[in-house]
Amino acid sequence: AQSVTQLDSQVPVFEEAPVELRCNYSSSVSVYLFWYVQYPNQGLQLLLKYLSGSTLVKGINGFEAEFNKSQTSFHLRKPSVHISDTAEYFCAVSDTGGGNKLTFGTGTQLKVEL
Amino acid sequence: DTAVSQTPKYLVTQMGNDKSIKCEQNLGHDTMYWYKQDSKKFLKIMFSYNNKELIINETVPNRFSPKSPDKAHLNLHINSLELGDSAVYFCASSQERSAISNQPQHFGDGTRLSIL
Repeated sequence: AQSVTQLDSQVPVFEEAPVELRCNYSSSVSVYLFWYVQYPNQGLQLLLKYLSGSTLVKGINGFEAEFNKSQTSFHLRKPSVHISDTAEYFCAVSDTGGGNKLTFGTGTQLKVEL
Repeated sequence: DTAVSQTPKYLVTQMGNDKSIKCEQNLGHDTMYWYKQDSKKFLKIMFSYNNKELIINETVPNRFSPKSPDKAHLNLHINSLELGDSAVYFCASSQERSAISNQPQHFGDGTRLSIL
């Protein structure tokens, strides 16, 4: 079984400032890692994913994440945020063995202020 | 041209009623899912179907019954609704998982279920 921890429930940040949203996971098997974004009253949209290869993954809207196996982390970063980035961000994992079951973290509310 | 569409978007009903939520995807995907998001925004998978066959069935009360008439549709029927069923229910779809890459899931906009 896997679990995902997003320690920060809310992250306030000023526009054009950098941001990092933290994600740590626990699993006894190899995993795939994902970040999804949820805008108000909408479904989830995939930001980026790590399957294998380079540990630095670039996604949409200028976001990137780095997989760190030794620290079991997959933190999401953006060098300069915009008001439009205000949303809920979810980290998720699935095992590589079979099926396609996503286990989500509890989400981090990113609030970008002027 | 919505990829994953759910109806209705809002559902307000009395305790004890039976209701259904419909989901359709036009992406040609093989696998569909139902998730429940509670008031604290925690997302948990409920069911997954692959080509109309149930492949994931989490610990969900048997009042919840998914039905997949074809691989483009996965409906969720809920009997004897309870207050704790109030949540946002999301449908999602993906290509069948391959050994090479994990296909991302595409989500609908959710159905907000409120039990009075």
